[in-house]
Amino acid sequence: NAGVTQTPKFQVLKTGQSMTLQCAQDMNHNSMYWYRQDPGMGLRLIYYSASEGTTDKGEVPNGYNVSRLNKREFSLRLESAAPSQTSVYFCASSEVLSGELFFGEGSRLTVL
Amino acid sequence: DAKTTQPPSMDCAEGRAANLPCNHSTISGNEYVYWYRQIHSQGPQYIIHGLKNNETNEMASLIITEDRKSSTLILPHATLRDTAVYYCIVRVAGTGNQFYFGTGTSLTVIP
Repeated sequence: NAGVTQTPKFQVLKTGQSMTLQCAQDMNHNSMYWYRQDPGMGLRLIYYSASEGTTDKGEVPNGYNVSRLNKREFSLRLESAAPSQTSVYFCASSEVLSGELFFGEGSRLTVL
Repeated sequence: DAKTTQPPSMDCAEGRAANLPCNHSTISGNEYVYWYRQIHSQGPQYIIHGLKNNETNEMASLIITEDRKSSTLILPHATLRDTAVYYCIVRVAGTGNQFYFGTGTSLTVIP
C-alpha cells in the first residue's frame, strides 16, 4: 500500500508558467484535500473534494483549480504561477466518517 | 467554523510528560477535537481525536474539559522523536470533512 502519492516532489517554475500537481490514493477514501504550507506557517486548505464528482473551496483557493478525476485522483492546477505560490503542497485523503487524514510526502514548488 | 488557539512553542524534558494545551471556545456540540503532528517537513500525522470524553491510545491521551472549550494533549513519556509541531484542529461539521490547521505548537524535547 503506497497510501497517498504526490508528483512531482520538486518543481521550479517561472512566473506565468502553468503546472499540475498530481495526487493519488489507494485507500478507497471518499474525501481528498490540497493544502499549502509556507515557511514557518501552518497548513492552509486550498480546495477539497468531499466525494467523487464534488469540489469545494477552502481558505486560500485563489490562483488554483482542482479536478477530482475519479475516486483515486485529485489534481491541483496553477494556471499562471506567481512567486506568492512558492510553497510546499500537501495532498491528503480521508474516509468521510472516521476523520483521520492521511497525507502525502509533499511537493515543493518554487516560482521564480 | 470554530478556531483554535495554541501556544507557539513549548519545551519538555525527555522522559517527562508533555502537556500541550488548546483553546477552542467557539466549538459546536457536534464538532470533534483532533490532534496531528508534523515532524520536520513531512506530512502531518494523526495522533488522536475526541468529542467529549477523554481518549487514550498508544501515542497519547486527550483530555477535554467538561464545557469542551479547551483540551490538552498529553504525551506521557516524551522522547526526542516527539519533537514536532502539534496541531489542534476542530472538525467542521456539515458536508464534506474539512480540516483547518492553525500554526500549532512547536514542541522541543530536551535531552
